[in-house]
Amino acid sequence: GNSVTQMEGPVTLSEEAFLTINCTYTATGYPSLFWYVQYPGEGLQLLLKATKADDKGSNKGFEATYRKETTSFHLEKGSVQVSDSAVYFCALSGPLSYAGNMLTFGGGTRLMVKP
Amino acid sequence: GAVVSQHPSWVICKSGTSVKIECRSLDFQATTMFWYRQFPKQSLMLMATSNEGSKATYEQGVEKDKFLINHASLTLSTLTVTSAHPEDSSFYICSASNGGYNEQFFGPGTRLTVL
Repeated sequence: GNSVTQMEGPVTLSEEAFLTINCTYTATGYPSLFWYVQYPGEGLQLLLKATKADDKGSNKGFEATYRKETTSFHLEKGSVQVSDSAVYFCALSGPLSYAGNMLTFGGGTRLMVKP
Repeated sequence: GAVVSQHPSWVICKSGTSVKIECRSLDFQATTMFWYRQFPKQSLMLMATSNEGSKATYEQGVEKDKFLINHASLTLSTLTVTSAHPEDSSFYICSASNGGYNEQFFGPGTRLTVL
């Protein structure tokens, strides 16, 4: 079956540091890949996505590239801010069923950015 | 666009009572809605998937008589936690999709505390 593995947190960084959160996946077929962000006490917000190999998703300074050869979708940001403190979830879609696009989530990585 | 709301945002109830949580898609028709449960500092666990006008499909280990799901219209799904107990305390998140390969849009979540 499908699975997503992401690095355990918490990840603690100073403001303006470089961020990498690793995500690898196992899936049949060709899933779409997502990064979601969850701020304290809130639901999930889509941060970025990529739908095919070598695609790069980007948003708000965050980037992730769909690497089929390494089955990875690592999240990066060149300079983090305190406001980026949140929990980040890597996810993949599939299988497509009568119910539409099922999502499989990784365990989440908590990011704490200190001023 | 693509806004999903949940009501209430938080609820505290006594053990043995039933609690209903609403999930609404505000600006699109949601043919499919998903209900997730999230324990503190953990990832989202899919509880069930529902298509408008048909019975929900529950994930393994989720009691369908305990967690009643009704998807009566293309913009509303409800989750009723029946005879709630303290172990049902959790953060419940819904998402909505208009099917196929389209992405899921998440609600802000409902925090349930059972005393």
